[in-house]
Amino acid sequence: GGIITQTPKFLIGQEGQKLTLKCQQNFNHDTMYWYRQDSGKGLRLIYYSITENDLQKGDLSEGYDASREKKSSFSLTVTSAQKNEMAVFLCASSMGTGRSDYTFGSGTRLLVI
Amino acid sequence: GEQVEQRPPHLSVREGDSAFITCTYTDPNSYYFFWYKQEPGASLQLLMKVFSSTEINEGQGFTVLLNKKDKRLSLNLTAAHPGDSAAYFCAVIDTNAYKVIFGKGTHLHVLP
Repeated sequence: GGIITQTPKFLIGQEGQKLTLKCQQNFNHDTMYWYRQDSGKGLRLIYYSITENDLQKGDLSEGYDASREKKSSFSLTVTSAQKNEMAVFLCASSMGTGRSDYTFGSGTRLLVI
Repeated sequence: GEQVEQRPPHLSVREGDSAFITCTYTDPNSYYFFWYKQEPGASLQLLMKVFSSTEINEGQGFTVLLNKKDKRLSLNLTAAHPGDSAAYFCAVIDTNAYKVIFGKGTHLHVLP
């Protein structure tokens, strides 16, 4: 079976810092996604990518950059961390573009001090 | 685009009781739906995927109902047990975009 791995699991950053989160999958899935999960707000799509080197903005892309260097990896950069920010970032992958169920990573928990 | 509303945000039930969670969506052309479960500190796991052609889908200890007329998707956990305590998310494919729209989640607490 495949696996989707997010690193790091926990990330503590300082205000204004640029922070990078990484995601790797070995399902050979075409599409990868980054979601932000805040308490009471569900999952909000930040960026997604339907193939290598493709990037599509989601509903929450401002303040973030993303990079799909190769099919198996998708990274997300918080361009300037906001003080007291606390959220979970979830990476997911799927075979197709919205027609298949997603497989989620275990998340990166971000705290900005 | 598609809008999904999930209710209730929090739900407490006694062990053995049913737990009922509902999502309403706006796009009448939506045809593919999901329920995910997220245990504390863990990632989302797929419970069930539902095609619009089937209105009642049964899983292990739960039933998913799809009412296309009312644009409502429901999850009914029958005889809930403490292991069912988790956050549950519905999701609907936005037919106009290559993405899935999630509900805001329901935090279920099953009391022993």
